[in-house]
Amino acid sequence: NAGVTQTPKFRVLKTGQSMTLLCAQDMNHEYMYWYRQDPGMGLRLIHYSVGEGTTAKGEVPDGYNVSRLKKQNFLLGLESAAPSQTSVYFCASTSPTSIGETQYFGPGTRLLVL
Amino acid sequence: AQKVTQAQTEISVVEKEDVTLDCVYETRDTTYYLFWYKQPPSGELVFLIRRNSFDEQNEISGRYSWNFQKSTSSFNFTITASQVVDSAVYFCALTRGGTYKYIFGTGTRLKVLA
Repeated sequence: NAGVTQTPKFRVLKTGQSMTLLCAQDMNHEYMYWYRQDPGMGLRLIHYSVGEGTTAKGEVPDGYNVSRLKKQNFLLGLESAAPSQTSVYFCASTSPTSIGETQYFGPGTRLLVL
Repeated sequence: AQKVTQAQTEISVVEKEDVTLDCVYETRDTTYYLFWYKQPPSGELVFLIRRNSFDEQNEISGRYSWNFQKSTSSFNFTITASQVVDSAVYFCALTRGGTYKYIFGTGTRLKVLA
C-alpha cells in the first residue's frame, strides 16, 4: 500500500515550457486535490476532483489544468510555465465515506521555473 | 466564509521547554472538523489529529496535547518537553461537513534548539 505518490519529485523548467505532474493513490479514494505551497502562504488549493471524470477549480487555478480520467490518478498540467509557478506541489486524497475524513498527502513535487 | 489563522509565524524554544502553537478559526457552520499536520524538514505532511465540532474534549497523546475551545474558536496545540525532532512547520486546517474543501492556516515554524 503506497498511499499517495507523486511524479516527478523535482523538476526544472524554462519559462514557457509545459509539463504534467502525476498523482496516484491506491486507497480507492473518491476525492483528490492539488495544492501549492509557497513560503508564508500555507497550502493553497489549485484544483480538486470529487470523482472520476470530474474536476473543479480551487483558490488559485489560473495557469493550471487538471484531468481525472481514472479514479486513482489526478494529473496537474502547466501549459506554459511561468516563474510565479515555482513552488512545491502537493497532491492529496480522501474518502467521503466518513465525513470530515483527514486528507492523505503525497511527498510533494518541487518545481523551479527559470 | 471559512478562515484559519496561525498568527505565530515562527517560534524558537530551547529543548525541554513547553510550547503552544495557536490556531484560531472562523466558520458559520455548526458541523466542522479541525486538523493539525506536521511538516518536518524532509517536506512531507504528517497528520497529527482530527477533531469534530461536537467534541470539545481535550486530547493528549504522549508529549502532544490539543485544547479545543469553541467559545474562543481556537484549537491550540501544546508540545510538552520539546525535543529537537519536534522542529517542523505545523499547519492547522478546517473543513466543514458536506464540503470537499479544506482550509489551511499559513503554518507556524517551530525551531527547537539543543
